Amino acid sequence: EAGVTQFPSHSVIEKGQTVTLRCDPISGHDNLYWYRRVMGKEIKFLLHFVKESKQDESGMPNNRFLAERTGGTYSTLKVQPAELEDSGVYFCASSLTPSLDNSPLHFGNGTRLTVT
Amino acid sequence: GESVGLHLPTLSVQEGDNSIINCAYSNSASDYFIWYKQESGKGPQFIIDIRSNMDKRQGQRVTVLLNKTVKHLSLQIAATQPGDSAVYFCAENRPSGSARQLTFGSGTQLTVLP
Repeated sequence: EAGVTQFPSHSVIEKGQTVTLRCDPISGHDNLYWYRRVMGKEIKFLLHFVKESKQDESGMPNNRFLAERTGGTYSTLKVQPAELEDSGVYFCASSLTPSLDNSPLHFGNGTRLTVT
Repeated sequence: GESVGLHLPTLSVQEGDNSIINCAYSNSASDYFIWYKQESGKGPQFIIDIRSNMDKRQGQRVTVLLNKTVKHLSLQIAATQPGDSAVYFCAENRPSGSARQLTFGSGTQLTVLP
């Protein structure tokens, strides 16, 4: 079974530019999550999709971040315009069910974003 | 060796010794806990989990202990090997409205010395 894949693995952009991160979940996993770790701090929840619907986006930091999952397959996370404090590692994860104790999260390797 | 995950971010142990990584969680409503291992350049990898109705769970070379009274979680690794070197995160699963979120600790860097 292929795992969660993320693209790109690294991205370096200038402040004010736009970046789009992509996540392909494990096939058949309806639940897709975005997390991020900035400034070496804790990994923090951003949002949760169930198929193409946003189930919980309470972790999205501001309106510069836009996540989509058209068709309920892969997801994109766009940052526009990027700021310096957006630098960090963005992780995508997927699970078979939303009840995490029955279906643990499987994480991708992350996208390391550097905003200069 | 022992470490409090949120206060001592590094732990060094000799190969073959047992490791204990500690974590304090904050939300008494959390009902499910997970330990993740993260190697350099990779995402968090599931190690072991425990539900709040249990106080101990064992896996292969790993044991998780949960003390709900003091909101404390620990991960014990037996006979630590060089491949165990990584950052270890505890995570608590908080019910949040209709969805569930994982809240991660700050992580503990485990280094296994030859």
